[in-house]
Amino acid sequence: DIQMTQSPSSLSASVGDRVTITCRASQDITNELGWFQQKPGKAPKRLIYTASSLAGGVPLRFSGRGSGTEFTLTISRLQSEDSATYYCLQHNTDPPTFGQGTKVEI
Amino acid sequence: DVQLLESGGGLVQPGGCLRVSCAASGFFFNNYDMSWVRQAPGRGLEWVSAISKSGDNTYYADSVKGRFSISRDNSKNTVYLQMNSLRAEDSARYYCVRGYSRLYDYWGQGSSVTVSS
Repeated sequence: DIQMTQSPSSLSASVGDRVTITCRASQDITNELGWFQQKPGKAPKRLIYTASSLAGGVPLRFSGRGSGTEFTLTISRLQSEDSATYYCLQHNTDPPTFGQGTKVEI
Repeated sequence: DVQLLESGGGLVQPGGCLRVSCAASGFFFNNYDMSWVRQAPGRGLEWVSAISKSGDNTYYADSVKGRFSISRDNSKNTVYLQMNSLRAEDSARYYCVRGYSRLYDYWGQGSSVTVSS
């Protein structure tokens, strides 16, 4: 199985900060990666698909980059409502695998 | 609007069985692969199983292979996850998700399964 290593596992930042989360794949997954936001008690919500495409309705302060084995999710100007846990998911190779999550506290 | 509504969760004893269902609406169900993803309390997300549009192809995580079975009824816009030989480590919230090799764009609110004596 492809291992997805996310870093950091948690971070604390302030409103207005720029935040970057990294996901590394154990082998090449081209651009078959998504980023998801999950708030407590809620279902995950897709933010980014195919590594860099912004999902509908997602604020422009979210962006994704990368291909191959290294990927990043950046929140350009952190807002209070961005407090959540963020997960990456690779769906290039069966089985699909998630990163372990990054908890963002504000 | 796309909606995925899970049902059928609950408390079951170790070794028991349970079936969770996901009723889809707001899109042409027959055109989409569907997946189940679970999340144990306080833990991360784990992909469990998927089924192709027609239902001809099914896919499973190693952790559930041989115990869980996914199926769908396109006439009812519903996907099912039959869970047998349940273990304590299967306790989780089970999410129905649109997609498998792509998408993962819509998620249900989940159905809670607790395996305990």
